[in-house]
Amino acid sequence: EVLLQQSGAELVRPGSSVKISCKASGYTFTDYYMHWVKQRPEQGLVWIGRINPANGNTVYAEKFKSKATLTADKSSNTAYMQLSSLTSEDTATYFCTNFDYWGQGVMVTVSS
Amino acid sequence: DIQMTQSPSSMSASLGDRVTITCQASQDIGNNLIWFQQKPGKSPRPMIYYATNLANGVPSRFSGSRSGSDYSLTISSLESEDMADYHCLQYKQYPLTFGSGTKLEIK
Repeated sequence: EVLLQQSGAELVRPGSSVKISCKASGYTFTDYYMHWVKQRPEQGLVWIGRINPANGNTVYAEKFKSKATLTADKSSNTAYMQLSSLTSEDTATYFCTNFDYWGQGVMVTVSS
Repeated sequence: DIQMTQSPSSMSASLGDRVTITCQASQDIGNNLIWFQQKPGKSPRPMIYYATNLANGVPSRFSGSRSGSDYSLTISSLESEDMADYHCLQYKQYPLTFGSGTKLEIK
């Protein structure tokens, strides 16, 4: 069974950073790109970027190039996304996905 | 960037109705489009791959079609469990782009 297990909800201060994880199981981690998607409350889905876990190659949407950093650890089959300089605009649920399967989402709340 | 114009943004339909949701691509994307269903508080679920191919386990009342740059998701006979948000995604070109979503409610 394929599973993408994401880390837990985060409450973070404005200006800080957060790193969320996505542990893959049930398939060969390096065979599929891992994408990250943002969803603000009651809004649509926004593609952030993707990483090729086999070689670490990344592609970002322009608006996330200075916001998000995607990494992957082949030894633990885990993908990571770090979000920096957080503002209220970053309050959202973040999903990892290969589009066949999705993580359960991580709610990140930015508040002082 | 490729813009995906999705319509309607919301709709209400009765059980048994035929429902169609559309995404229009601003550039050629071929058939590189996925339709997702998302229920409240849940992750999206792929329903249609490559514009017209039903995903495993998806009821046959769902179908996808293409006419030029217009892509449609059709539910032939609406059931209560179909109440959800629906999203299209183009993966022809980076950045990947989603439609703005359709909220489908049952009358």
